[in-house]
Amino acid sequence: DTGVSQDPRHKITKRGQNVTFRCDPISEHNRLYWYRQTLGQGPEFLTYFQNEAQLEKSRLLSDRFSAERPKGSFSTLEIQRTEQGDSAMYLCASSLSGVGTGELFFGEGSRLTVL
Amino acid sequence: KQEVTQIPAALSVPEGENLVLNCSFTDSAIYNLQWFRQDPGKGLTSLLLIQSSQREQTSGRLNASLDKSSGRSTLYIAASQPGDSATYLCAVFTSGTYKYIFGTGTRLKVLA
Repeated sequence: DTGVSQDPRHKITKRGQNVTFRCDPISEHNRLYWYRQTLGQGPEFLTYFQNEAQLEKSRLLSDRFSAERPKGSFSTLEIQRTEQGDSAMYLCASSLSGVGTGELFFGEGSRLTVL
Repeated sequence: KQEVTQIPAALSVPEGENLVLNCSFTDSAIYNLQWFRQDPGKGLTSLLLIQSSQREQTSGRLNASLDKSSGRSTLYIAASQPGDSATYLCAVFTSGTYKYIFGTGTRLKVLA
């Protein structure tokens, strides 16, 4: 197992364009998370999937953001009509569910720069 | 609403010192607390996971303790090395939620 993979690692785009990030979690993990991190801050929760079901979304996730996890495997995070304020590191993490488990493992992140 | 605070925000120490990083949280009803390390521009690396029934966990030179009743955790780093320089983040998984809430981190610099 190679851990959590994210693609692309870096994305530079112009304001108003759409971008999509992909995350491949650790294969047996049924929980998948997206977080956003800006410079000097801790990661902020965006959304969470258990298998293919999106069970929670943060109020940070405006209508321009959408996430999917078809078939409970990889996940995509799409940002439509990007704004400069969307510039951040987008982090994906996965874990196993169940009380007493749940260690979170992160990918290397996808850094978005909106010009 | 769970809030996580880490003190100090930044720390600079000479090589070889033992040091303590602090994490406090407002809601003591937690399942897990996890400590991470983050190098600049990188993702987060898991260091230690403490489950709610545990009081501490150890890995090499790292020891993390948890006091749920007081809403506090500490990460102890023994005999610090320049390679320990990074940002250290704590995160709590609160009962009744599905997510980890993070602190803002402690930026550690160990001087050779």
